[in-house]
Amino acid sequence: AQSVAQPEDQVNVAEGNPLTVKCTYSVSGNPYLFWYVQYPNRGLQFLLKYITGDNLVKGSYGFEAEFNKSQTSFHLKKPSALVSDSALYFCAETGSARQLTFGSGTQLTVLP
Amino acid sequence: ETGVTQTPRHLVMGMTNKKSLKCEQHLGHNAMYWYKQSAKKPLELMFVYNFKEQTENNSVPSRFSPECPNSSHLFLHLHTLQPEDSALYLCASSPGQGNTEAFFGQGTRLTVV
Repeated sequence: AQSVAQPEDQVNVAEGNPLTVKCTYSVSGNPYLFWYVQYPNRGLQFLLKYITGDNLVKGSYGFEAEFNKSQTSFHLKKPSALVSDSALYFCAETGSARQLTFGSGTQLTVLP
Repeated sequence: ETGVTQTPRHLVMGMTNKKSLKCEQHLGHNAMYWYKQSAKKPLELMFVYNFKEQTENNSVPSRFSPECPNSSHLFLHLHTLQPEDSALYLCASSPGQGNTEAFFGQGTRLTVV
């Protein structure tokens, strides 16, 4: 079973609106959580990570994510979406196996 | 650029061919990984090398054979593949194996005909 889940295959949002891409985890203990982005025909690019400390993590390109232990979530957010944010987004974790395990990905489309 | 380079970017091969994918990083990382990305499937971790030693083989068929001659280079040797092996193969590296972010190459788009 996947240790991170992305419940939405596709998210559409209008340019300028806030965006949220959801991720939940089922790793016991203290999870290490990551977000990556993949543009067409490219590899994955690291956006941000949560290891410990503040629950709100800020990352590249204006993205941030909030670690919520009670809801076992690590949703990716951005206050104002750009068309250029359209891409495939992956949540990932490393647990006791010490290897990155990825969610199934969410295709974000920002509409002009 | 992430500092991880994969060659070739595209590869078409017949089922009886032998080919190799190459990955190179000069980030000083000690861990390197091969992932397979197929359409509508999660990324699948194939192999992990840490300090040139293979530490993970996630039940990958023997027609895929990895090689890590040093910490900067990783190969994936391909032999008698099947059409269902067509996918994007991604290489990644990280400072160590564990709770650090990985840096990915742009991938090799493999088509088996």
